[in-house]
Amino acid sequence: RKEVEQDPGPFNVPEGATVAFNCTYSNSASQSFFWYRQDCRKEPKLLMSVYSSGNEDGRFTAQLNRASQYISLLIRDSKLSDSATYLCVVNIASGGSYIPTFGRGTSLIVHP
Amino acid sequence: EAQVTQNPRYLITVTGKKLTVTCSQNMNHEYMSWYRQDPGLGLRQIYYSMNVEVTDKGDVPEGYKVSRKEKRNFPLILESPSPNQTSLYFCASSSWGPPNSPLHFGNGTRLTVT
Repeated sequence: RKEVEQDPGPFNVPEGATVAFNCTYSNSASQSFFWYRQDCRKEPKLLMSVYSSGNEDGRFTAQLNRASQYISLLIRDSKLSDSATYLCVVNIASGGSYIPTFGRGTSLIVHP
Repeated sequence: EAQVTQNPRYLITVTGKKLTVTCSQNMNHEYMSWYRQDPGLGLRQIYYSMNVEVTDKGDVPEGYKVSRKEKRNFPLILESPSPNQTSLYFCASSSWGPPNSPLHFGNGTRLTVT
């Protein structure tokens, strides 16, 4: 079983819709969590960190559920420009350091 | 400007001809890593380095070598490239400060081996 799992999608939604992605992780030593956005053939870019209490950045809300070992990303009022692949990244504690571990990504397509 | 710089951006080569993809970061980051990305497979880690002179295999190390002689540089070496190493490669770095340290990525290197 992969350590970090995401539904690959694609999620196909109209402009203005609300869409949510989940990401599950299997290692309870996971320390920190991130969502990255990747556009086609470009490098992944940090979208937001995920904090224990949940956090919001404009139309984006990230949540962490340690008990069930998943994080989520909610996008409200979707824009065409939100179309991308969203990668979940989990920093897993290992020997005093942290190893970033990626999910395979969830593809989002926002259509007019 | 804080950045991770990879070179070259595009490379076409032939089977068996040794090549090196360079990666350099100017943020004094301890952790550096190489990934390859193929359609449908997501980002797969090739090698990573916790610090100078410390390197470890990732998920797909076969056919690759790395070195970390100085903190800022982490080159990826293909001693004898083969067509199955045709891929999009990313270098990334992060700090070991607090655990909430995100990865910073280079722009990517698109390699084609014929």
